[in-house]
Amino acid sequence: QVQLVESGGGVVQPGGSLRLSCAASGFTFSSYGMHWVRQAPGKGLEWVAFIRYDGSNKYYADSVKGRFTISRDNSKNTLYLQMNSLRAEDTAVYYCAKDLGELLGAFDIWGQGTMVTVSS
Amino acid sequence: AIQLTQSPSSLSASVGDRVTITCRASQGISSALAWYQQKPGKAPKLLIYDASSLESGVPSRFSGSGSGTDFTLTISSLQPEDFATYYCQQFNSYPLRITFGPGTKVDIK
Repeated sequence: QVQLVESGGGVVQPGGSLRLSCAASGFTFSSYGMHWVRQAPGKGLEWVAFIRYDGSNKYYADSVKGRFTISRDNSKNTLYLQMNSLRAEDTAVYYCAKDLGELLGAFDIWGQGTMVTVSS
Repeated sequence: AIQLTQSPSSLSASVGDRVTITCRASQGISSALAWYQQKPGKAPKLLIYDASSLESGVPSRFSGSGSGTDFTLTISSLQPEDFATYYCQQFNSYPLRITFGPGTKVDIK
């Protein structure tokens, strides 16, 4: 079935790095734009980043620009989020999400989420 | 940046009630608005996209309307499984900006 499975979360010190992965199955991964969305504990949803179906364009929220990098490997059906210079305010559940199309701006498939905790 | 507000922030309702949630954008966004349902500990679920298009598999008691700055999510007859938090989300394509509303929690009266 259509599925997204995130991995790579954990506890990291402020200033540290972490790489999240999102394995896709059940759909033609290389045909869709993909996003990362996060949710701090007890808070609302925040869009983090987007990558076009072929990786040609990437966009970031201002809060992570210059620190996070989104990428994808269509041969492995996998989406990534490299997170550097992590801050306490980056603590959240990180979800990968499939765009409805190439870039329709709505997310029809979500992963289960992976928790990232930034703490000393 | 476009801001979204939702009202109410929370509501209590009974099974069978008609429930309406409003989302207002700080500037016009045409119909580039989606609605999601989220239950505790779970990922959000897409209900409505393009302001009024029902996502496949979503019950027809959910409907969306509006354009420009004012949007509405309506649940025609609230069911036990509908108690959750609902988020609106807007999409601006250039430059790409995606923002969510603060959420509306629907709980049991």
